[in-house]
Amino acid sequence: NAGVTQTPKFRILKIGQSMTLQCTQDMNHNYMYWYRQDPGMGLKLIYYSVGAGITDKGEVPNGYNVSRSTTEDFPLRLELAAPSQTSVYFCASSRLRGPADNSPLHFGNGTRLTVT
Amino acid sequence: AQSVTQLGSHVSVSEGALVLLRCNYSSSVPPYLFWYVQYPNQGLQLLLKYTSAATLVKGINGFEAEFKKSETSFHLTKPSAHMSDAAEYFCAVSDPDGSSGYALNFGKGTSLLVTP
Repeated sequence: NAGVTQTPKFRILKIGQSMTLQCTQDMNHNYMYWYRQDPGMGLKLIYYSVGAGITDKGEVPNGYNVSRSTTEDFPLRLELAAPSQTSVYFCASSRLRGPADNSPLHFGNGTRLTVT
Repeated sequence: AQSVTQLGSHVSVSEGALVLLRCNYSSSVPPYLFWYVQYPNQGLQLLLKYTSAATLVKGINGFEAEFKKSETSFHLTKPSAHMSDAAEYFCAVSDPDGSSGYALNFGKGTSLLVTP
């Protein structure tokens, strides 16, 4: 199994450009998440999805959008890139979770984005 | 929302010495707790997770963590450090009530340096 796959690995954007970060998982996980990682700040939740067709905002959603048309895919869209969006972005997935289930998150290898 | 605090952004140990990475959580109910490791330019890998079945949790690569409710702590230890343990370590917690789709809230991370 490939697990969680993110593309591209690296990208440089100019201010105001748009792009989509791709994330796909082959584990049939319902729960998927997007995080951004900045030095010394840990990981911050951008958006999450509890199943196909259902998405919701996390802690830092401004400037981003997501969609979840299939169980496998959870793309993250940046519409008007800004320098503050320079970061490393991680996608993660987990099987069905609940009050008595603490299944771990499985992470992709990340997309390193620079906005100049 | 649940949160964790990692004490010490950088920890340096000699090869063969005890590794102790500290994590304290804020919760009035038993939380879901995890430790993840991140090697350079990679995603996060699960080291171990807390289940209510045991307070001492054993993980991969010789790491273990002890859940202490009285101290609201979940510190990570390893008896003897190896050079290959040099990495960034993250403590994480999720809300058992399902807020944010059981997303993990991460600490800011501790960078472990192992010296010969």
